[in-house]
Amino acid sequence: AQSVTQPDIHITVSEGASLELRCNYSYGATPYLFWYVQSPGQGLQLLLKYFSGDTLVQGIKGFEAEFKRSQSSFNLRKPSVHWSDAAEYFCAVGLLYSGGGADGLTFGKGTHLIIQP
Amino acid sequence: NAGVTQTPKFRILKIGQSMTLQCTQDMNHNYMYWYRQDPGMGLKLIYYSVGAGITDKGEVPNGYNVSRSTTEDFPLRLELAAPSQTSVYFCASTVLPLYEQYFGPGTRLTVT
Repeated sequence: AQSVTQPDIHITVSEGASLELRCNYSYGATPYLFWYVQSPGQGLQLLLKYFSGDTLVQGIKGFEAEFKRSQSSFNLRKPSVHWSDAAEYFCAVGLLYSGGGADGLTFGKGTHLIIQP
Repeated sequence: NAGVTQTPKFRILKIGQSMTLQCTQDMNHNYMYWYRQDPGMGLKLIYYSVGAGITDKGEVPNGYNVSRSTTEDFPLRLELAAPSQTSVYFCASTVLPLYEQYFGPGTRLTVT
């Protein structure tokens, strides 16, 4: 079965420090990969996505993610976090089928990011 | 361009009551989705639609129904509300091959 694992439920980082959030997936083929951010009481906002090409992708708000096929991972990074980055982060995967269709995304359980002053 | 809108924002239902969660998008996206989000569990797909008149079940469809009569609207129906349906419900839409889903602000539903 398809699955997405975010092994860290909570992460605490000091403001200005670097950040890495982990995501591993289990799929039969290389899926589309996404990172979303959710602020309290809000919907989900797309940070970045990957399907093919350069394995290091740049997103909004200074985030980047690296796809590593050999490790089935798509980790999210930021070199210097800001207090406004405190939120819930979700990794998600989806497949486009050979006939051109797609179904919904499979989400990880999320990582709650806490920023210390 | 409002994107994806959902109504209501909050709702409290009694067990056995029914209601419809509304979702509308103005981006002319053919794909629309309903997810539910429970604490610590991420989002799970309830139903999705690839276009007007076409719907399909997701991972957790029991207790829900959907219809898609227009490209813009994708309502989610709860017929006999149960406490297990207490959750936050998100509607999303996309167009292929871009595939990134645009989410509405959510509906927080409590069933007591």
